[in-house]
Amino acid sequence: QSVLTQPPSVSGAPGQRVTISCTGSSSNIGAGYDVHWYQQLPGTAPKLLIYGNSNRPSGVPDRFSGSKSGTSASLAISGLQAEDEADYYCQSYDSSLSVLFGGGTKLTVL
Amino acid sequence: EVQLLESGGGLVQPGGSLRLSCAASGFTFSSYAMSWVRQAPGKGLEWVSAISGSGGSTYYADSVKGRFTISRDNSKNTLYLQMNSLRAEDTAVYYCAKDPSSSSWYKENAFDIWGQGTMVTVSS
Repeated sequence: QSVLTQPPSVSGAPGQRVTISCTGSSSNIGAGYDVHWYQQLPGTAPKLLIYGNSNRPSGVPDRFSGSKSGTSASLAISGLQAEDEADYYCQSYDSSLSVLFGGGTKLTVL
Repeated sequence: EVQLLESGGGLVQPGGSLRLSCAASGFTFSSYAMSWVRQAPGKGLEWVSAISGSGGSTYYADSVKGRFTISRDNSKNTLYLQMNSLRAEDTAVYYCAKDPSSSSWYKENAFDIWGQGTMVTVSS
């Protein structure tokens, strides 16, 4: 059980909008530490998708957006495409446990 | 093009040792902190260790402290992970990952570039 809790799976039809939550606590997200998001396509290395809660690296489509509030963060994907089917991980820091990743969420495009 | 290329993985018996390497190219290697992150088969990501750009500061997850040693050779643009006293639970794909902005390792930072990973299997 990860300290940063993500839903194991989410799904959506092409064109729809989906959100993936990342729930932490007062010792990590709630303490003000940044949340980052990664996309891992099948059989490949993770790729940075969102950093510093809501910033997109160069080359990441603006269909991907991040937000943070209180002890939780969210990744939103709008205009869902088949190529978005992947595992998504959140990352933050915990004052007791060091660098943390969420357990991951598998996105299925129906 | 910024690239990281890991090597050195393989099959090792419990209690054995292995050294992983990560060759960097396309950026000024010594200007960035680096980390190792692992992923057990079918599981999520786990941060393992980090090192500052100069190599003078190192950091470890509790699960590997005292068994793993991170180091770097800036003249060779290469990051290393020496793994001793290996256990079955160390079986994973090991990725090297780059800090996006600093030679000092900031625990809150993301990892902006990842290698393709190298598989380590600990089994008798």
